[in-house]
Amino acid sequence: DAGVTQSPTHLIKTRGQQVTLRCSPKSGHDTVSWYQQALGQGPQFIFQYYEEEERQRGNFPDRFSGHQFPNYSSELNVNALLLGDSALYLCASSFIQGKNTGELFFGEGSRLTVL
Amino acid sequence: DAKTTQPNSMESNEEEPVHLPCNHSTISGTDYIHWYRQLPSQGPEYVIHGLTSNVNNRMASLAIAEDRKSSTLILHRATLRDAAVYYCILRSRRSGGSNYKLTFGKGTLLTVNP
Repeated sequence: DAGVTQSPTHLIKTRGQQVTLRCSPKSGHDTVSWYQQALGQGPQFIFQYYEEEERQRGNFPDRFSGHQFPNYSSELNVNALLLGDSALYLCASSFIQGKNTGELFFGEGSRLTVL
Repeated sequence: DAKTTQPNSMESNEEEPVHLPCNHSTISGTDYIHWYRQLPSQGPEYVIHGLTSNVNNRMASLAIAEDRKSSTLILHRATLRDAAVYYCILRSRRSGGSNYKLTFGKGTLLTVNP
């Protein structure tokens, strides 16, 4: 049973460019969340998708946007990249029935470097 | 979001028990206590969660103080594979909906000595 898979694993962009990161949730999961983890820090919540809609959002600017597809996979898009966007981007999946107590399953992340 | 306080780092010896503390003095009645850990070069991994009573699973035990202002994650026999950053997180129950926002702090870096 495949867990959460993310692509690409590593990428390098320059300031002002746009990036798209992809996530396939664990089999049977219907909810996807995205987190940003800067070096030496804990992950920070960006947003969560369920039924192809954004349901919760953290304190991130509109440059960060996402999408969920009918097969539950998801994309994270970041426009007008800044140096400070360099981080590990983590995707987590879960069941909607898990609500407030169900565990989140994380992928290994996409490491973005902005030069 | 209610905050948690954890020591920056702890050390343990292999095959000995480890007690990882967490303070959450501003916890509310609807907050669940979750623990995740992050091994090097991996995403976080769920360990355990609880509300009021102590909890046990195959990975660890969670001891929750009677006033819920603190909790302790217990690894009964530490192995080298348990070396990781351990995060104590309060997960609030959202009125009328689900809550998938986990607020991570910096966690406790656990070093296990052979």
